[in-house]
Amino acid sequence: ILNVEQSPQSLHVQEGDSTNFTCSFPSSNFYALHWYRWETAKSPEALFVMTLNGDEKKKGRISATLNTKEGYSYLYIKGSQPEDSATYLCASINQAGTALIFGKGTTLSVSS
Amino acid sequence: GAGVSQTPSNKVTEKGKYVELRCDPISGHTALYWYRQSLGQGPEFLIYFQGTGAADDSGLPNDRFFAVRPEGSVSTLKIQRTERGDSAVYLCASSLTPGGGYNEQFFGPGTRLTVL
Repeated sequence: ILNVEQSPQSLHVQEGDSTNFTCSFPSSNFYALHWYRWETAKSPEALFVMTLNGDEKKKGRISATLNTKEGYSYLYIKGSQPEDSATYLCASINQAGTALIFGKGTTLSVSS
Repeated sequence: GAGVSQTPSNKVTEKGKYVELRCDPISGHTALYWYRQSLGQGPEFLIYFQGTGAADDSGLPNDRFFAVRPEGSVSTLKIQRTERGDSAVYLCASSLTPGGGYNEQFFGPGTRLTVL
C-alpha cells in the first residue's frame, strides 16, 4: 500500500510570514510527485509535477524541492498572503501508474 | 478555455436512492479520472478512463459504484442504493495524454454528495 503523509495537518500564519510543509512518500518505485492547491469552493489547481531527485521548482512565491532517495518533498511559501489560504495536497502515483495517491493535505490559513 | 465541469455542484439524497454525477472534461483530453474526498481525508482514486474504456477501476469501493464514458468525453459516475458512508466530494479530473498519474491532471470543482 502506498502511503503519502503530509505535515502539519493545519497551519495558521500572519501575512508576510514564510512557511513550509512536508510531504513524505515511499521512496521505492518512485515515478512522480504532484503538488496541488485547493481553495474552498474551487477546483484543485496543479502547482508542480516533480520527477527528478534534487528537483526544485518555483512559481511566484511558491517553491518545492524533491528528495526521491529519502522520500520527501517540501513546499515553501515566501511572504504568505491571505490569498494563499487553501489546502495544499501532495500526491504520488499508484503502482499501476494509472492514478494519483493523495495525502490528507495541509490547510493553511493566512491572517492579514 | 473551459475547464473541467461537474454537475450538479451539490446533491442531497436519501439512503437507498440512485444518483448520477456528471463530468465534462476539457475538450481533447483523452484521460479522465474520478476521485472522492471524504471528510478529513485526501482525495481517493476511484476509476481511470483512457478514451471510452475503463483502464483501471480498482478504486471503486463495491459493485454499487459504476462509471461510463460512452463517447470518450463526458463521463457519468453512478451510485446505486446509496449509503450514508457515500457522502463525500466527488472530483473529476482529465489530462491531455495517456499516462495516468504521470501527467498533470486538471480537476473540476467537484460534486458534494450528501446521503441522509
